[in-house]
Amino acid sequence: EPEVTQTPSHQVTQMGQEVILRCVPISNHLYFYWYRQILGQKVEFLVSFYNNEISEKSEIFDDQFSVERPDGSNFTLKIRSTKLEDSAMYFCASSEAVVIEQPETQYFGPGTRLLVL
Amino acid sequence: GQNIDQPTEMTATEGAIVQINCTYQTSGFNGLFWYQQHAGEAPTFLSYNVLDGLEEKGRFSSFLSRSKGYSYLLLKELQMKDSASYLCAVSVEDANDYKLSFGAGTTVTVRA
Repeated sequence: EPEVTQTPSHQVTQMGQEVILRCVPISNHLYFYWYRQILGQKVEFLVSFYNNEISEKSEIFDDQFSVERPDGSNFTLKIRSTKLEDSAMYFCASSEAVVIEQPETQYFGPGTRLLVL
Repeated sequence: GQNIDQPTEMTATEGAIVQINCTYQTSGFNGLFWYQQHAGEAPTFLSYNVLDGLEEKGRFSSFLSRSKGYSYLLLKELQMKDSASYLCAVSVEDANDYKLSFGAGTTVTVRA
């Protein structure tokens, strides 16, 4: 069964450093998402991406964040200058084409646990 | 904004039934999803409801009442492996984009 994959599984970085989290969505999916979950808290939407551009972003997704689809398979989240409060689990998700009035299921990757020291 | 409420914790006995309620107040409602999340792992899709009524998938069923802003997830014949957090998530449509807004999750503990 196809699945979303993410690398690395764990990342430790120093405050102020840049990190790139990588995701390979399910191959026939067209919509891609990043969510994060701070330890003990709820899953929060960061950004959605379709047709090579951002569809929507949350208040969390400020100028330090960016997303890119550099090739036909990878989808990346870059955090330019990490802060202590960026420590969280970051989940990538993907879904098939959206049908009006019919939500498509989003499938989540295993996550990258980011620790900023 | 979105407001999604579900109980924090529930405990049940192996073989029993547990019902996890979720109430929501959202704009642009487009459907409600239930995910299971084991500690340190990704949310795994369980079910979704778009129309009012009950959807059954094996031991798991989910119900939706759009007029009441209410859903529940019913877990039957509980097994130890069902111990996990269960996340209620509302699909919110905004300018033809669909994001999930999650509740805080209900931690279910299954005891022998």
